[in-house]
Amino acid sequence: DAKTTQPPSMDCAEGRAANLPCNHSTISGNEYVYWYRQIHSQGPQYIIHGLKNNETNEMASLIITEDRKSSTLILPHATLRDTAVYYCIALMNRDDKIIFGKGTRLHILP
Amino acid sequence: EAGVAQSPRYKIIEKRQSVAFWCNPISGHATLYWYQQILGQGPKLLIQFQNNGVVDDSQLPKDRFSAERLKGVDSTLKIQPAKLEDSAVYLCASRNTGGTGELFFGEGSRLTVL
Repeated sequence: DAKTTQPPSMDCAEGRAANLPCNHSTISGNEYVYWYRQIHSQGPQYIIHGLKNNETNEMASLIITEDRKSSTLILPHATLRDTAVYYCIALMNRDDKIIFGKGTRLHILP
Repeated sequence: EAGVAQSPRYKIIEKRQSVAFWCNPISGHATLYWYQQILGQGPKLLIQFQNNGVVDDSQLPKDRFSAERLKGVDSTLKIQPAKLEDSAVYLCASRNTGGTGELFFGEGSRLTVL
């Protein structure tokens, strides 16, 4: 599975869109991009995943660049409850084991 | 739908003692994982089960850690003897094979070794 790189931390004002970048320049054509988040004192929670097309669900949107070397997770209207560590993971197969990196610590500022 | 259940939530022991953690995955999920999360780090995979068989235990410190999933449902993770550096949150996760790939995590068991 391809290595991903994320900034260690980011700030975002409450009510604004939070845009979390992820670099996966060595991703192969059939690797998925998954995003999880971990709120303090809880286990990680799945957010969204995608292969080539942009995806949207009730939690977030995932924008994958055309060359698939990077992606952005968008939380459209960030709230204080979105303060968490966000992990971007590349997976060759949806049944592959998930290896977590250090993620991005997102602080939502009131 | 019930989530992944773990117990105990908290455990404090002295070094060289033993401890066991229990996990009940989501019903029907064939794949079960144990992760170790040290404060300030991402979760580290310890072991992966497919039904009652071990798929990957390459990161499990086998001199002191053991895990089993006898009937392909519940799982236990044991540490004996514990070391100070085993202080961490132990997370259990399960997954439905062939689904979306989503992992469902329990709330974790926080271990403090004194």
